[in-house]
Amino acid sequence: DADVTQTPRNRITKTGKRIMLECSQTKGHDRMYWYRQDPGLGLRLIYYSFDVKDINKGEISDGYSVSRQAQAKFSLSLESAIPNQTALYFCAATGKGEANTGELFFGEGSRLTVL
Amino acid sequence: LAKTTQPISMDSYEGQEVNITCSHNNIATNDYITWYQQFPSQGPRFIIQGYKTKVTNEVASLFIPADRKSSTLSLPRVSLSDTAVYYCLVPQGSTLGRLYFGRGTQLTVWP
Repeated sequence: DADVTQTPRNRITKTGKRIMLECSQTKGHDRMYWYRQDPGLGLRLIYYSFDVKDINKGEISDGYSVSRQAQAKFSLSLESAIPNQTALYFCAATGKGEANTGELFFGEGSRLTVL
Repeated sequence: LAKTTQPISMDSYEGQEVNITCSHNNIATNDYITWYQQFPSQGPRFIIQGYKTKVTNEVASLFIPADRKSSTLSLPRVSLSDTAVYYCLVPQGSTLGRLYFGRGTQLTVWP
């Protein structure tokens, strides 16, 4: 079983539509992250959460929002999608002790295309 | 913030040893250094982690000098399947857990 599961894996949408990417994890990690990847730009942190009531902005949070509905679930929303949000999105999770050492467990990615 | 700097790309041939160096001049006392490997369209995968001196596992070795301002990932006898992007990760403050990746190093292994 994968530690971290993302849905959908692929999504094509139109400009202006609201989109939600969902992430769930089964190992009881308390810290969860959303990253965006564009060709040649590596991984950029969008938002992260240390527990259910904790949400923090990352490097590129504008145009995105998140919700930590439960310890195991962390969703990313694009309220009004635009073409430059076309990218590969990754969710990641780690336990409190592991976060200090940087070991993250990643999902398989959600490829979003905004037309 | 412990920003990291790595070469953008490296080339090697099968069977050679590859060393990728990452600089992290502002690393904090409690920070570990972690390296990840990423194949296209997949999430990064943990390779190795260290705090100081040398760490070795079945995949790679990690060398960290005494001042800890850099680290070197060493891949022995690379094969075509080692072609991937390699990231050096240093937490942005150990108690805050901000985990910023950079652009990584694209390693291409040729036959």
